[in-house]
Amino acid sequence: GESVGLHLPTLSVQEGDNSIINCAYSNSASDYFIWYKQESGKGPQFIIDIRSNMDKRQGQRVTVLLNKTVKHLSLQIAATQPGDSAVYFCAENTSSNTGKLIFGQGTTLQVKP
Amino acid sequence: EAGVAQSPRYKIIEKRQSVAFWCNPISGHATLYWYQQILGQGPKLLIQFQNNGVVDDSQLPKDRFSAERLKGVDSTLKIQPAKLEDSAVYLCASSLVGWGNEQYFGPGTRLTVT
Repeated sequence: GESVGLHLPTLSVQEGDNSIINCAYSNSASDYFIWYKQESGKGPQFIIDIRSNMDKRQGQRVTVLLNKTVKHLSLQIAATQPGDSAVYFCAENTSSNTGKLIFGQGTTLQVKP
Repeated sequence: EAGVAQSPRYKIIEKRQSVAFWCNPISGHATLYWYQQILGQGPKLLIQFQNNGVVDDSQLPKDRFSAERLKGVDSTLKIQPAKLEDSAVYLCASSLVGWGNEQYFGPGTRLTVT
């Protein structure tokens, strides 16, 4: 069935270093992908998205890379800060008609001061 | 602008009891979603509304879960009777109509079934 998974459940980085969070998706027909950040006790917060006709998109301190050949998505965070500590989810849009999202299980990012 | 509002924030009930959650989406957002997030997992879509119509309820356990959005604005999600495995955070999200529009999430309701 459809699934979106993350390679590593926990990522620990030093403050100021760059972070890379990876995600594998299984539905080759998915055409839209989103990264969300979820802090404890809060709902997911949109970080950045990318459409399937792109392979890279940059935001403020974040970059998303999409490799459709191997069905892989990654989120790069530059100069990681303590406020970046959270759980990160990738999600894929599996239906262009409804906008339905399938979420992965999440990666916990821990930033050490 | 005001975000998605949900209440209550926390609820503890015994199994076989009933419970209801309320959601008020962002003004102007015609699409409303209810997700279930079990501890340690990503959110799973339960039901999606566009205005007051159901777009997708394929993963809603209809024998015990129900949801409505009668006037196309606020929505309620009900569980009756609750089971232990229903313990989770129930998230409401809203978005503008159309593909690729950002979903804005509320803070969620944490349900514990004992």
